[in-house]
Amino acid sequence: AQSVTQLDSQVPVFEEAPVELRCNYSSSVSVYLFWYVQYPNQGLQLLLKYLSGSTLVESINGFEAEFNKSQTSFHLRKPSVHISDTAEYFCAVSFTSGTYKYIFGTGTRLKVLA
Amino acid sequence: GAVVSQHPSRVICKSGTSVKIECRSLDFQATTMFWYRQFPKQSLMLMATSNEGSKATYEQGVEKDKFLINHASLTLSTLTVTSAHPEDSSFYICSAQAGPTPGANVLTFGAGSRLTVL
Repeated sequence: AQSVTQLDSQVPVFEEAPVELRCNYSSSVSVYLFWYVQYPNQGLQLLLKYLSGSTLVESINGFEAEFNKSQTSFHLRKPSVHISDTAEYFCAVSFTSGTYKYIFGTGTRLKVLA
Repeated sequence: GAVVSQHPSRVICKSGTSVKIECRSLDFQATTMFWYRQFPKQSLMLMATSNEGSKATYEQGVEKDKFLINHASLTLSTLTVTSAHPEDSSFYICSAQAGPTPGANVLTFGAGSRLTVL
């Protein structure tokens, strides 16, 4: 069965410090990978995605994630965080054929401290 | 970009009443929409996959008679929580995919509906 694991439920970090949010997945079939961000009482917004091609993908607000097939990981990184990055971050996988279904990790709460 | 509108954003109801939540794709047609439930500080739990013109596909453990889903058009899916009880209080989020390729297209989310059953 497919699964997504986000090992860190909470990550506190000081402003302007780097951060890495970890995501590992398990799947017997090919997957697409996503990071979504959720601000309080809101839906989820796409941060970045990996479908194919370059294993390093970037978002417009400075986040990046690297697909590592051998380690089945898709960790999210930012070299310098801002207070406004405080939110819940969800890693998700979907499948390259068949179902539209997405599987989400349990989320990581990033708290940026002043 | 693709936008999904969800209404109402908040609803409070008495135990035993039914509540309907609407999910609309505003600028694209969505043959498939998804309904998720999110408990406080937890991940999204897929409840059902809503397919336009056919019956929804429910995940294991989700009561189809309790959570009625109707996907009557390519831009509208509704979730009705029937005979709501306090344990149904939760954050319900709908989503839809814009594009024909399963999985590859971004899942666009509504802003969610917070249901509180008194």
